[in-house]
Amino acid sequence: DAGITQSPRHKVTETGTPVTLRCHQTENHRYMYWYRQDPGHGLRLIHYSYGVKDTDKGEVSDGYSVSRSKTEDFLLTLESATSSQTSVYFCAISEFKNSGNTIYFGEGSWLTVV
Amino acid sequence: GQNIDQPTEMTATEGAIVQINCTYQTSGFNGLFWYQQHAGEAPTFLSYNVLDGLEEKGRFSSFLSRSKGYSYLLLKELQMKDSASYLCAVRDSNTDKLIFGTGTRLQVFP
Repeated sequence: DAGITQSPRHKVTETGTPVTLRCHQTENHRYMYWYRQDPGHGLRLIHYSYGVKDTDKGEVSDGYSVSRSKTEDFLLTLESATSSQTSVYFCAISEFKNSGNTIYFGEGSWLTVV
Repeated sequence: GQNIDQPTEMTATEGAIVQINCTYQTSGFNGLFWYQQHAGEAPTFLSYNVLDGLEEKGRFSSFLSRSKGYSYLLLKELQMKDSASYLCAVRDSNTDKLIFGTGTRLQVFP
């Protein structure tokens, strides 16, 4: 358990509405990530953060923004949701152990855009 | 370019041994990871290889050959609860990011 909680866990929203997903961690990890997972695709990185107010884009960042005003919270915002953003969203942290810099995932947020 | 290939689906029998292969092509390499993901759940970390050879962890073992761009995950004494997707991921040393394969769905039958 990497101490990650995501909210909401399930959400249905309409096309064109803004949506914010929250990731909360309790173990003071510096690095946090947002991934999406879709059938036929591997997990794909949307955005990541390497500290408070320090964020950068991943490979599928279009249509998404993020913010990190506190170490423990990393927010993912869909500015104007589209049906192509229907997906499962995973927040993750990285922790350096004997296994190198390993990614650990939160429980996931299932988002449906109708 | 970057590419990770693994079989889409595999089936096996309870008590048997199964090997899930993963081949990769990345511009830089700094470790290979295996994750297990049960349906409707988050991926969970299984193993990590950065040097060539076999890493054993209970019923699960993972092998790496960097020269061949190849890894496999070996599951022994299969149990029904091993039915899940297994994700191969490579850390690209140039970007320090994990690149994931699409996963192998393993079904274990009695």
